[in-house]
Amino acid sequence: GQNIDQPTEMTATEGAIVQINCTYQTSGFNGLFWYQQHAGEAPTFLSYNVLDGLEEKGRFSSFLSRSKGYSYLLLKELQMKDSASYLCAAYTNAGKSTFGDGTTLTVKP
Amino acid sequence: DAGVTQSPTHLIKTRGQQVTLRCSPKSGHDTVSWYQQALGQGPQFIFQYYEEEERQRGNFPDRFSGHQFPNYSSELNVNALLLGDSALYLCASSFRPTSADIQYFGAGTRLSVL
Repeated sequence: GQNIDQPTEMTATEGAIVQINCTYQTSGFNGLFWYQQHAGEAPTFLSYNVLDGLEEKGRFSSFLSRSKGYSYLLLKELQMKDSASYLCAAYTNAGKSTFGDGTTLTVKP
Repeated sequence: DAGVTQSPTHLIKTRGQQVTLRCSPKSGHDTVSWYQQALGQGPQFIFQYYEEEERQRGNFPDRFSGHQFPNYSSELNVNALLLGDSALYLCASSFRPTSADIQYFGAGTRLSVL
């Protein structure tokens, strides 16, 4: 079966660093995606990991450990516009994506 | 370069009716996946189309069906609508179904069933 777990809500302060964790149990795992979704809008791609390790893209980084079924998204120098839902999605080699329910991040001044 | 486009934006139907939602993929993409997103939840995979065939299907009843056309655009049909079908329906396109390519999402169709 497929199972994705991530925290429901997180709060952080503008300018700080926040780490959003995601654990997964997926048959035929082929990669882990992170998407950002603002209220009422479509998800937009942030980051993708296939191999173990850290992928860095500007203020956003994502880490994957395949052996542990674990990933995290790291957001640095938080800005108010980073307030959104962050979705973790596991991709299988059959072409299916399973999404978590998302972590709602609130950035406070 | 147009991104993924979906129509209509909003739709109101009553129980028992049928609905058709449409999606045009991003230029250069040949694979279309459909998702249902209820309020406060993540997108739930409905099915994926590639080469005009359904390749993968999530845990959705047969009331949910789809089609892909030669130009790669796709339709999602839902028959015998239930109140619980009220949700945001998202279409995502990518290149090849097994390449783990980035999926680009459309803005979605918000369906309300009364």
